[in-house]
Amino acid sequence: EPEVTQTPSHQVTQMGQEVILRCVPISNHLYFYWYRQILGQKVEFLVSFYNNEISEKSEIFDDQFSVERPDGSNFTLKIRSTKLEDSAMYFCASSGTSNEQFFGPGTRLTVL
Amino acid sequence: SQQGEEDPQALSIQEGENATMNCSYKTSINNLQWYRQNSGRGLVHLILIRSNEREKHSGRLRVTLDTSKKSSSLLITASRAADTASYFCARGANFGNEKLTFGTGTRLTIIP
Repeated sequence: EPEVTQTPSHQVTQMGQEVILRCVPISNHLYFYWYRQILGQKVEFLVSFYNNEISEKSEIFDDQFSVERPDGSNFTLKIRSTKLEDSAMYFCASSGTSNEQFFGPGTRLTVL
Repeated sequence: SQQGEEDPQALSIQEGENATMNCSYKTSINNLQWYRQNSGRGLVHLILIRSNEREKHSGRLRVTLDTSKKSSSLLITASRAADTASYFCARGANFGNEKLTFGTGTRLTIIP
């Protein structure tokens, strides 16, 4: 069964460093998303992406964040200058015509 | 708040019993999706129910939706130890392939 994959599973970085989180959505899906979940808190929407552009973003998704679909399979989230409060589990998701959003296993980001 | 809110926050039952979790929301929906999350792991998609549907089944899972009361319920029948997890409802608004707004979740523990 097709699934969303994410790499790395765990990323440790120093405050102020740039990180790139990678995702491979399900191949025939057209809608892509990033969410995050701070430990013990709700899953929060960051950004949605369709037709090679951002379709919606949350207040969390400020100028430090960017997304890219560099080729036909990958979807990346970049955080330019990480802060301590960016520590969270980051989930990529994708959906197709059925509207069901399928999530990847997540990348745990730890900012020291 | 426009978020889905689950009730109860925590539920412990004996293996073999049925578990019912409820979700309420405040604004209109296109669909409502239920997810399972094992501790520290990814979100597993369980069922999507659309605003014009009242009930859906998948194996031991039954989801109902009452749009007049802005509520949904997830029933797991004949529970198993492996069902121990957190369960979330997530509201999809408007056109379907937009952001999901997650609730706080119900922590379900199945006692063997």
